[in-house]
Amino acid sequence: EDQVTQSPEALRLQEGESSSLNCSYTVSGLRGLFWYRQDPGKGPEFLFTLYSAGEEKEKERLKATLTKKESFLHITAPKPEDSATYLCAVQDSSASKIIFGSGTRLSIRP
Amino acid sequence: SQTIHQWPATLVQPVGSPLSLECTVEGTSNPNLYWYRQAAGRGLQLLFYSVGIGQISSEVPQNLSASRPQDRQFILSSKKLLLSDSGFYLCAWSVRTEAFFGQGTRLTVV
Repeated sequence: EDQVTQSPEALRLQEGESSSLNCSYTVSGLRGLFWYRQDPGKGPEFLFTLYSAGEEKEKERLKATLTKKESFLHITAPKPEDSATYLCAVQDSSASKIIFGSGTRLSIRP
Repeated sequence: SQTIHQWPATLVQPVGSPLSLECTVEGTSNPNLYWYRQAAGRGLQLLFYSVGIGQISSEVPQNLSASRPQDRQFILSSKKLLLSDSGFYLCAWSVRTEAFFGQGTRLTVV
């Protein structure tokens, strides 16, 4: 059964303090691993898709990496506007259902 | 460009009443369609997904059903709502891999 586990559940950082969020996954043939950002009361906003181990994607202060068992979302010198819940999801080789983790609530203090 | 419409944004329904949430996608053909539910402070639970008209896969046995009467229309229904059906309901579409979300419906069953 496909499974996604995210850690930590919550993370509080000072502005400018870099850190990483973890996403561990179990899937029968990975078609894609996705990262999303979700603000309170809104639908998730797509950030990245990673397809194979060793792949990296960057967007502003965010960088996502992928291994065969986990993915990391690195946040460099974060700002208060980066505060949100970050969700990880996987799609298996059937290219149909997409399974999400429980998310990491990130809070950046000015 | 593709857009997704989900309505209503908020809904308060009494226990035992019926439910119908509608989602439509514009600007694409034959998308995969998804219904998710999100409890407060939690991740997204996949309820139903569809890879084509009339093709519905259910992930979690419950008091809900889904239908896809047209290529870009996905409907979530219940004959009799339970208190436990309260939550944030999200519709999403995908064509190749990553999914894109609507803004969600906040359902409160009273």
